[in-house]
Amino acid sequence: GNSVTQMEGPVTLSEEAFLTINCTYTATGYPSLFWYVQYPGEGLQLLLKATKADDKGSNKGFEATYRKETTSFHLEKGSVQVSDSAVYFCALSDWNAGKSTFGDGTTLTVKP
Amino acid sequence: EAGVTQFPSHSVIEKGQTVTLRCDPISGHDNLYWYRRVMGKEIKFLLHFVKESKQDESGMPNNRFLAERTGGTYSTLKVQPAELEDSGVYFCASSQEQGRFYNEQFFGPGTRLTVL
Repeated sequence: GNSVTQMEGPVTLSEEAFLTINCTYTATGYPSLFWYVQYPGEGLQLLLKATKADDKGSNKGFEATYRKETTSFHLEKGSVQVSDSAVYFCALSDWNAGKSTFGDGTTLTVKP
Repeated sequence: EAGVTQFPSHSVIEKGQTVTLRCDPISGHDNLYWYRRVMGKEIKFLLHFVKESKQDESGMPNNRFLAERTGGTYSTLKVQPAELEDSGVYFCASSQEQGRFYNEQFFGPGTRLTVL
């Protein structure tokens, strides 16, 4: 079956530091890949997505590239802000199956 | 356009009691999903409705959980009787008719269930 493995957290960074959260996946077929974010006290929000190999998703300064050869979708941001503190989830969705498979989530804390 | 809404936002009950969670999907979305996050672990799939029919309920943990989707609109998830291990955050998501390439799901804020 499908599975997603995320870098273990929590992650604590200083403001303006570089962020990488690793994500690798196992899936049959050609899944779509997602990063979701959950800010404190809020629900899940889609941060970015990529639907095929070599696609790069980007939003709010975050980026992730769909790497089929390494089955990875690592999240990066060049300069984090305090407001980026949240829980980040990597996920995949097989269009045929419909449901999404999530990683464990990585808690990011950015300190001023 | 209103997003996915869930009610209640928090529920605290005692072991053995019954709790019913409600999800209102985005209007016009045929697909409705329930997920659960327990103890800071991954968000796990519970089940998937297409309109009023259960498309996939492979993630339902046991027969204490009953999900319905009346008339293909809102959905309820009932836990009866609740056990301690049912504590967690229950998320609902909806999406339009499954597309050819990907299935973007819109999530609700979740219901935090605590069983004492």
